[in-house]
Amino acid sequence: EIVLTQSPATLSLSPGERATLSCRASQSVSSYLAWYQQKPGQAPRLLIYDASNRATGIPARFSGRGSGTDFTLTISSLEPEDFAVYYCQQRSNWPPIFTFGPGTKVDI
Amino acid sequence: QVQLKESGPGLVKPSETLSLTCSVSGGSITTYYWNWIRQSPGKGLEWIAFTHYTGSTNYNPSLKSRVTVSLDTSKRQFSLTLSSVTAADTAVYYCAREERFSSSWFDYWGQGIPVTVSS
Repeated sequence: EIVLTQSPATLSLSPGERATLSCRASQSVSSYLAWYQQKPGQAPRLLIYDASNRATGIPARFSGRGSGTDFTLTISSLEPEDFAVYYCQQRSNWPPIFTFGPGTKVDI
Repeated sequence: QVQLKESGPGLVKPSETLSLTCSVSGGSITTYYWNWIRQSPGKGLEWIAFTHYTGSTNYNPSLKSRVTVSLDTSKRQFSLTLSSVTAADTAVYYCAREERFSSSWFDYWGQGIPVTVSS
């Protein structure tokens, strides 16, 4: 089973600052990694798929990069609505099993 | 516009079976994979299972012995049953649509339904 670890656990920043979140896989997942944002009381929202592709309607300040085992989600300039928890996710090839990272909380 | 909505009991007694349904509106029911994901209070996300109109399913190995998922294309619904529940199964349960190519991601989610296991 592929394990995803995320760092840091908490990122304390201010609006306008740049946020850099890390996700590391226990073995290569190629570029097959997605990122989600979750706000309190809401379902997760897809931000990025295949490591670097923004989902429909996602602002350009969100960007993803990486391949293999190391991935990064960057928020170029934090807006007040960006303070949330961010999760990475991958699917193993066979059998198809999904795992999520433990999350990074971005707060003020 | 694609919408998913979970329904089912919010309270289940220990050792009983949890049954949830997800109703899908908009979009194709046969193109995608349909998943259940849960989140225990204050915890992260745990994938439970997926189903597909072809009958293909798979389960989280940690839950496999207790979980069944199925899809009814005519009703545009898919369901989850989890047997022999304990307090550890208390969580918000989400249904989600999976886009699958070489990789997979969940592009639409239900609002989530909180389920408490308690006597």
